[in-house]
Amino acid sequence: ETGVTQTPRHLVMGMTNKKSLKCEQHLGHNAMYWYKQSAKKPLELMFVYNFKEQTENNSVPSRFSPECPNSSHLFLHLHTLQPEDSALYLCASSQLKVGDTEAFFGQGTRLTVV
Amino acid sequence: AQSVTQLDSHVSVSEGTPVLLRCNYSSSYSPSLFWYVQHPNKGLQLLLKYTSAATLVKGINGFEAEFKKSETSFHLTKPSAHMSDAAEYFCVVRNAGNNRKLIWGLGTSLAVNP
Repeated sequence: ETGVTQTPRHLVMGMTNKKSLKCEQHLGHNAMYWYKQSAKKPLELMFVYNFKEQTENNSVPSRFSPECPNSSHLFLHLHTLQPEDSALYLCASSQLKVGDTEAFFGQGTRLTVV
Repeated sequence: AQSVTQLDSHVSVSEGTPVLLRCNYSSSYSPSLFWYVQHPNKGLQLLLKYTSAATLVKGINGFEAEFKKSETSFHLTKPSAHMSDAAEYFCVVRNAGNNRKLIWGLGTSLAVNP
């Protein structure tokens, strides 16, 4: 148990569906992240939230829409996805401060777009 | 620009023999370096980190890594492999300046044979 919980663990959705991924952290961290992990590619940072404010969007298509209602919860809303969006989506959290702190990851949501 | 290169995409060892997973980095500043492990169907877990203190860093599960600035390397080692060490291992570098992005390697898949 890493303190970061993601639901669902697995998701299969059609290209016309709308679904949401949920992430919750119990570590008291003030930063949360969405990553995409695809085979044979480096981990891709999608979004960063610091104190509930989005501070980074790495050219992610608008069919991915993040939401951070508070510093403990992070959502990724999905709509009209493409098959190439199939991947493992990882949520992470960290405590932003001077010096280095590591990110703690959830177990991920395995997304398959059909 | 920062980058990280994991020199082997796949390593196979026998149980009880040493493990060496190689990582080279490039960084314009004093880097922080991390190794993460990902077991099948699990999230990423921090193994160890280097943050400009001791160059030999000890992590969990008997792993350690040595920061060698002259060689720009941060190789991960373990004296004796266990079956439970079979997983994907990621080397990560982060700039110590204002840009705190994590740069991920492509990963090394470690197989442990009985």
